[in-house]
Amino acid sequence: AQTVTQSQPEMSVQEAETVTLSCTYDTSENNYYLFWYKQPPSRQMILVIRQEAYKQQNATENRFSVNFQKAAKSFSLKISDSQLGDTAMYFCAFMKHAGNTGKLIFGQGTTLQVKP
Amino acid sequence: DVKVTQSSRYLVKRTGEKVFLECVQDMDHENMFWYRQDPGLGLRLIYFSYDVKMKEKGDIPEGYSVSREKKERFSLILESASTNQTSMYLCASSSPPGLGDETQYFGPGTRLLVL
Repeated sequence: AQTVTQSQPEMSVQEAETVTLSCTYDTSENNYYLFWYKQPPSRQMILVIRQEAYKQQNATENRFSVNFQKAAKSFSLKISDSQLGDTAMYFCAFMKHAGNTGKLIFGQGTTLQVKP
Repeated sequence: DVKVTQSSRYLVKRTGEKVFLECVQDMDHENMFWYRQDPGLGLRLIYFSYDVKMKEKGDIPEGYSVSREKKERFSLILESASTNQTSMYLCASSSPPGLGDETQYFGPGTRLLVL
């Protein structure tokens, strides 16, 4: 069975600085997807970034980038130039590529506070 | 934009009551999911459905059932609510993997309190 672990329950960062959120996972699958989702306070969960395991290149979306280390089963999220609107809970998630169900397995979440 | 809506943002029920949580999506997605979110545990899958009238148990199905009579609507039913079902319930929908967008789109959540 797959598991996802986020070992940092809470983090904080000063506005405009860079922060990295950690995520490790365990799987015997070779092909899969990894995601970071963001859940702002009292607001809807939205996708931040996704990575396909067969792609060597790390995904980037504006100020958000990942460091995907397949051998180490690590998938960290880097937020550059942090903004107050980045304050949220962040979830790392895993999805098998095989099958048609698209089930996600989530980590425990990391609450990030961006301080002015 | 994909829109996933849930019938209630907040709900207060009594122990033993039957509770219905409804979710509607407007993107013609085949897959729909119900999760519960608890502090320190992340999101845990209760049930999911990959087609109308098709359902599969997730990781924590005990005490819950689901119904999917129409493609756009997925209902979660608490047959006899208990206090340990006090939680945030999130619905999501997606296309099947491999079609270009595996993203799950989430509703705003229903915060359920069982007294």
